[in-house]
Amino acid sequence: EVQVVESGGGLVQPGGSLRLSCAASGFTFSSYAMTWVRQAPGKGLEWVSAMSGSGDRTYHADSVKGRFTISRDNSKNTLYLQMNSLRAEDTAIYYCAKGGSYYVDYWFDPWGQGTLVTVSS
Amino acid sequence: DIQMTQSPSSLSASVGDRVTITCRASQGINYYLAWYQQKPGRVPQLLIYAASTLQSGVPSRFSGSGSGTDFTLTISSLQPEDVATYYCQKYNSAPYTFGQGTKLEIK
Repeated sequence: EVQVVESGGGLVQPGGSLRLSCAASGFTFSSYAMTWVRQAPGKGLEWVSAMSGSGDRTYHADSVKGRFTISRDNSKNTLYLQMNSLRAEDTAIYYCAKGGSYYVDYWFDPWGQGTLVTVSS
Repeated sequence: DIQMTQSPSSLSASVGDRVTITCRASQGINYYLAWYQQKPGRVPQLLIYAASTLQSGVPSRFSGSGSGTDFTLTISSLQPEDVATYYCQKYNSAPYTFGQGTKLEIK
């Protein structure tokens, strides 16, 4: 069964840092792009970051560019999101999702259960 | 950046009704469009990709159409379990923008 499971969320102060992890199983991890999508409480979906299967191509939304970094360790079947300089508006459930192909320009499926990040003093 | 606009933002329909949700891209995106369903308290799930291809396991009452800038998601006969928020998303190139969502309720 294809599965992705996020971890690493929690409460952090404004200006702080957090690293999210996404453990993948049930598929050849290095053959698929991966992505992060977030959803603020009661709001819609916002794409955050994406990375190709080998990690040679990465993309970030303007709202997180320069603060968040996506990475992956294909030997560990794990995707990461390093989040620095966190702001209150970064408070959201962060979902990890598998891309439809090695390349980034594809749909997302499946999604993990999400991990909640709360930025507050 | 290309903007994705869904309409309506919410709708209420009766069981058995035919329901249509529209998604418009501010620039052409060919057929690089996906639809997701998010039931209350649940994780988003892929319904349709490439504008009209039904994801495996999705009931056949769901269908998608369109290309370029105008797309539709249609539920041919609304069922109680279809209560959810539906999102369109472009994936032709980054940023992979979502529409604002359409909340579907049963009348």
